[in-house]
Amino acid sequence: TQLLEQSPQFLSIQEGENLTVYCNSSSVFSSLQWYRQEPGEGPVLLVTVVTGGEVKKLKRLTFQFGDARKDSSLHITAAQTGDTGLYLCAGGSKVQGGKLIFGQGTELSVKP
Amino acid sequence: NAGVMQNPRHLVRRRGQEARLRCSPMKGHSHVYWYRQLPEEGLKFMVYLQKENIIDESGMPKERFSAEFPKEGPSILRIQQVVRGDSAAYFCASSGTSDPSTDTQYFGPGTRLTVL
Repeated sequence: TQLLEQSPQFLSIQEGENLTVYCNSSSVFSSLQWYRQEPGEGPVLLVTVVTGGEVKKLKRLTFQFGDARKDSSLHITAAQTGDTGLYLCAGGSKVQGGKLIFGQGTELSVKP
Repeated sequence: NAGVMQNPRHLVRRRGQEARLRCSPMKGHSHVYWYRQLPEEGLKFMVYLQKENIIDESGMPKERFSAEFPKEGPSILRIQQVVRGDSAAYFCASSGTSDPSTDTQYFGPGTRLTVL
């Protein structure tokens, strides 16, 4: 069974700071998806990366897929209070069929 | 709204009752996935369905749980004789292509099941 280790589990920072969330595995994934989840809601897709070494930017968020497609990172520049939430990485692979394997999540709190 | 729809959003059942959770995939999507999120735990895969077919049910408990995605109508996740441990948020996701290993899954808002 493939596993995704997400770190850190909790992160509390001041507005304006930068942060990075990591998602690591010993297995290769065909795709890596990042979601953000608000309390009481479902995960909302931020980005999907499928190519090793791929970098995608979404405003102040930068997503990277490792060259070997075993790890990924999410970097937020100049965090804002509106970035507060639960960030989830999820990997898909042919070995796992259609199921996504989720990391444990990173609970981000950005204080004013 | 062309997103994934789930209903009800909240469901309260007493131990021993049945729970039926419904999911309408995004328009044009024919792949449906159910996940469960227990308190303080991450999202865990339960079952993957296409129209009239169960593709992978490896994450679903062997007893009391069943799922279907009929030719017409929404996908249904059915839990018989619920127990307190079934209390969780149940999410449905859908995707549209024939390569689910790379296709993006879009999630619904979830059904929060509480078993008294």
